Amino acid sequence: KAGVTQTPRYLIKTRGQQVTLSCSPISGHRSVSWYQQTPGQGLQFLFEYFSETQRNKGNFPGRFSGRQFSNSRSEMNVSTLELGDSALYLCASSSMWGGTEAFFGQGTRLTVV
Amino acid sequence: AQSVTQLDSHVSVSEGTPVLLRCNYSSSYSPSLFWYVQHPNKGLQLLLKYTSAATLVKGINGFEAEFKKSETSFHLTKPSAHMSDAAEYFCVVSDSNTGKLIFGQGTTLQVKP
Repeated sequence: KAGVTQTPRYLIKTRGQQVTLSCSPISGHRSVSWYQQTPGQGLQFLFEYFSETQRNKGNFPGRFSGRQFSNSRSEMNVSTLELGDSALYLCASSSMWGGTEAFFGQGTRLTVV
Repeated sequence: AQSVTQLDSHVSVSEGTPVLLRCNYSSSYSPSLFWYVQHPNKGLQLLLKYTSAATLVKGINGFEAEFKKSETSFHLTKPSAHMSDAAEYFCVVSDSNTGKLIFGQGTTLQVKP
């Protein structure tokens, strides 16, 4: 059974640009969550999608958005990139919404210069 | 609101000696608790989970954790450390209202030969 796949693994972008990250969950999982990991703030919840609907959103500005497709694949988009957006972005998939164990991808390392 | 506090940011042990990583939680409800491990440049791997069944939870790679409600603790232990255990460990609680995962700040485990 394939795990959670995140693409790309590494990205370098310039301030002001936008970026789209992709996450393919484990087959059969319908919940996808996104997290931002930085040395200063640790792991912070961005948002969660379940069956194409955003169920929860963390405390991030509107520049951070996401969506989920009918095949459960998810994308997150960050517009007008800032230096502080440099981070490891992790995607997690779960079979159900809330409370169940989550399986993480290897992450996308975004560097904003 | 639910939260977790990892009491040590850094733990150093010698190979073959016991490991203890401490975690306290705060929750209004019966919590779902997890321990995840992250090796350098990798995603997060689930070590074990507590979901109100047995209070002593056994995980992968010889790790276990004990849920103590009276102490609001969920400490992670391993009888004998191995060099490959060197990594960052996260104690996590699942928010019962939203289902999102709330991470502790992490404990870096160093294993000396």
